Amino acid sequence: SYELTQPLSVSVALGQTARITCGGDNIGNKNVHWYQQKPGQAPLLVIYRDNNRPSGIPERFSGSNSGNTATLTISRAQPGDDADYFCQVWDSNTDMVFGGGTNLTVL
Amino acid sequence: EVQLLESGGGSVQPGGSLRLSCAASGFSFSTNAMSWVRQVPGKGLECVSSISGGGLDTYYADSVKGRFTISRDNSKNTLYLHMNNLKAEDTALYFCAKVRNTAPKWFDPWGQGTLVTVSS
Repeated sequence: SYELTQPLSVSVALGQTARITCGGDNIGNKNVHWYQQKPGQAPLLVIYRDNNRPSGIPERFSGSNSGNTATLTISRAQPGDDADYFCQVWDSNTDMVFGGGTNLTVL
Repeated sequence: EVQLLESGGGSVQPGGSLRLSCAASGFSFSTNAMSWVRQVPGKGLECVSSISGGGLDTYYADSVKGRFTISRDNSKNTLYLHMNNLKAEDTALYFCAKVRNTAPKWFDPWGQGTLVTVSS
């Protein structure tokens, strides 16, 4: 089965840039999607197809994907960005696969 | 506005059964694939089952295969998850989510979830 690896936690200073990674074997050959989940809320799609933002998601959120690592970048981090972030890919053999999630703390 | 509202969660003893429902509105339900995704509180996400718009194609995670059945009633815009022989490890918050029909697939949006607790 395909596995996605995320760091358990990432910290970023207020106003700085946070980068959350998602590792997988040749993940650059797949499309990666990212979800934000705040406490007590459902996950929210923030990036689809590596680097596309759904309507309503701030431009501060961006993504990239190459080699064995996909990255979610959050620029000018704000307190409201405090959340868990999950990466996800779809594979024809294993269907939907999620990373374990990363807790982002804005200091 | 797309809305998904889950119901049917609750407390059940090991070996028991539950049926979850997800009422959908704001989009063409019958032409969209749907999924159930669960989350142990404070833990990660697991897609346990998916179903195509017409209901003919289904997917089950190995962890629930043979015990859970996904179905849908397109006349009622409602998605179901029938859960039998429940185990303690099935305890989780269950979300329904709309799935993009073609590859690459992602979930958008999600409902607020319904909590299932399996305990003696």
